[in-house]
Amino acid sequence: AQKITQTQPGMFVQEKEAVTLDCTYDTSDPSYGLFWYKQPSSGEMIFLIYQGSYDQQNATEGRYSLNFQKARKSANLVISASQLGDSAMYFCAMREVTSGSRLTFGEGTQLTVNP
Amino acid sequence: DAMVIQNPRYQVTQFGKPVTLSCSQTLNHNVMYWYQQKSSQAPKLLFHYYDKDFNNEADTPDNFQSRRPNTSFCFLDIRSPGLGDAAMYLCATSRGVPDTQYFGPGTRLTVL
Repeated sequence: AQKITQTQPGMFVQEKEAVTLDCTYDTSDPSYGLFWYKQPSSGEMIFLIYQGSYDQQNATEGRYSLNFQKARKSANLVISASQLGDSAMYFCAMREVTSGSRLTFGEGTQLTVNP
Repeated sequence: DAMVIQNPRYQVTQFGKPVTLSCSQTLNHNVMYWYQQKSSQAPKLLFHYYDKDFNNEADTPDNFQSRRPNTSFCFLDIRSPGLGDAAMYLCATSRGVPDTQYFGPGTRLTVL
């Protein structure tokens, strides 16, 4: 079974609008962390935001927020006021306590921001 | 600025010719990782070092080796590259095992 599922291979959004990128996960570990990374066409993986399984509040970092719904096992990324520079591949990843340091990545969502 | 640096950014090698990819970091992080990312796929962890302790993933081919001579540097050696080893190789670091991993810009390897 997939541990991280990103159901949207591609998403389009108009500049200045908000967009939600979906991520669902599967784990039986009580302690885990969820990450979102951005990968532009240049290839570098850029860390965006982190949510711990015990965090009570949803994580926010500037224009990025994470809509964490633990019971549904979802960790959707919300990007507000999209910019052209947001066009990139976005990966959701999970680290489980039992997997040590290993990050398990989803297949990614290619976001295109249209002017 | 503290960062993760990978050299070279692009590497071309011939089938079967050994190649070494380099990663350095100024973050003074304890853990360094090597990932392989093939086209249109998610990154896949090959191995990592916690300080000098080497941790290999079970499905990492023997063709891939790594060295970490000091805290700042980590190398990925591919002993006999095959066509299937053409990929982006990403180096990452973290302060500790549960901490956020920060990635370098990657080295794109082409095997002719």
